[in-house]
Amino acid sequence: EAQVTQNPRYLITVTGKKLTVTCSQNMNHEYMSWYRQDPGLGLRQIYYSMNVEVTDKGDVPEGYKVSRKEKRNFPLILESPSPNQTSLYFCASSLFPRDTEAFFGQGTRLTVV
Amino acid sequence: EDQVTQSPEALRLQEGESSSLNCSYTVSGLRGLFWYRQDPGKGPEFLFTLYSAGEEKEKERLKATLTKKESFLHITAPKPEDSATYLCAVQAPTGGGNKLTFGTGTQLKVEL
Repeated sequence: EAQVTQNPRYLITVTGKKLTVTCSQNMNHEYMSWYRQDPGLGLRQIYYSMNVEVTDKGDVPEGYKVSRKEKRNFPLILESPSPNQTSLYFCASSLFPRDTEAFFGQGTRLTVV
Repeated sequence: EDQVTQSPEALRLQEGESSSLNCSYTVSGLRGLFWYRQDPGKGPEFLFTLYSAGEEKEKERLKATLTKKESFLHITAPKPEDSATYLCAVQAPTGGGNKLTFGTGTQLKVEL
């Protein structure tokens, strides 16, 4: 089954404790991205990757890092999480960067206390 | 800056009561307008892509249309299982391509 898998689904952590949210897709997609979803603000892009070893900032990259060492994986790293990073996070992938539908993961609900 | 505004924020319908959701947008060089459905606790699920004014697409009880300034998602004779949040997004040329700018969604509730 074609899918984007995120882990964990839920995470509560403390301010400053580094964490990683994993994302993996099994569709051999080139393009992957991370979004955060907040009430009243909609989905906003954090980072994206055009292909292996090619990443760039989206609209809200501050406080986040990513890496793309393999085509299927695109982890999101919070080196020093803060309460304003409490949000619902989605990973997405698509075959090409343009003009194709994005497949989304199930989401990771992160709470930073 | 690309902008997407969806209305209404929330809509409550009786089963069988047809209606439309609106998505108005401001974008430089639209590459595509996307409709997604999002159920509680899940990621958005792709519904349609529209590329040019005048284009229409249908899927079961849903029909999406596009003009130069807005898109409509028409829901004909809705059922309770159509209850979800419907998201609209636009794609425009950027340095990285495929950046989707999302609206905040319309939360649809269909009651028996």
